[in-house]
Amino acid sequence: GAVVSQHPSRVICKSGTSVKIECRSLDFQATTMFWYRQFPKQSLMLMATSNEGSKATYEQGVEKDKFLINHASLTLSTLTVTSAHPEDSSFYICIGKGAGGYTFGSGTRLTVV
Amino acid sequence: GENVEQHPSTLSVQEGDSAVIKCTYSDSASNYFPWYKQELGKGPQLIIDIRSNVGEKKDQRIAVTLNKTAKHFSLHITETQPEDSAVYFCAASTSGSNSGYALNFGKGTSLLVTP
Repeated sequence: GAVVSQHPSRVICKSGTSVKIECRSLDFQATTMFWYRQFPKQSLMLMATSNEGSKATYEQGVEKDKFLINHASLTLSTLTVTSAHPEDSSFYICIGKGAGGYTFGSGTRLTVV
Repeated sequence: GENVEQHPSTLSVQEGDSAVIKCTYSDSASNYFPWYKQELGKGPQLIIDIRSNVGEKKDQRIAVTLNKTAKHFSLHITETQPEDSAVYFCAASTSGSNSGYALNFGKGTSLLVTP
């Protein structure tokens, strides 16, 4: 079945550095990739929507220059958290949308120290 | 945009009892309503979903009902077991094509099933 492979699953980085999270769709083409983040004991909040080959659409309050999204192909989308700060520590999850429906990545737990 | 409300935020039941979680949505164009189970430290897992052309769907101990007129849908878990303890999220979206729309999640219900 459809799988979205998300890496890394966990990352600890120093404040001020950048972190890249990668989501690859396996056995299907993700025409749309949704990026969410989930703070502890909270719901999943949509950060941005990206369609292959076009610029991502960011939700209100999400800084596009801080959270860089690239969706260069139908099978790969990346989220780069630039100049990370402790308040960016969260669980980031991608959800690929293709013909078969929504497929979740396994999530990335980011801790910024 | 779509607004999904979920109740209750916490629910404690005894093993063997039923659990019901309710969600309402605001966008009448929404046509896809999935439910997810999230265990500690893991990502959400789809447990059941329903589309707006169906009023009820059942899968063993889990069922979902949808009332399009009232714009609400519910998750029913019967004969609960301790391993059902988790956080449950409802979601709504408009999904009818490859591009589709984002899932809008409720705030979650923390279900505790006590032996």
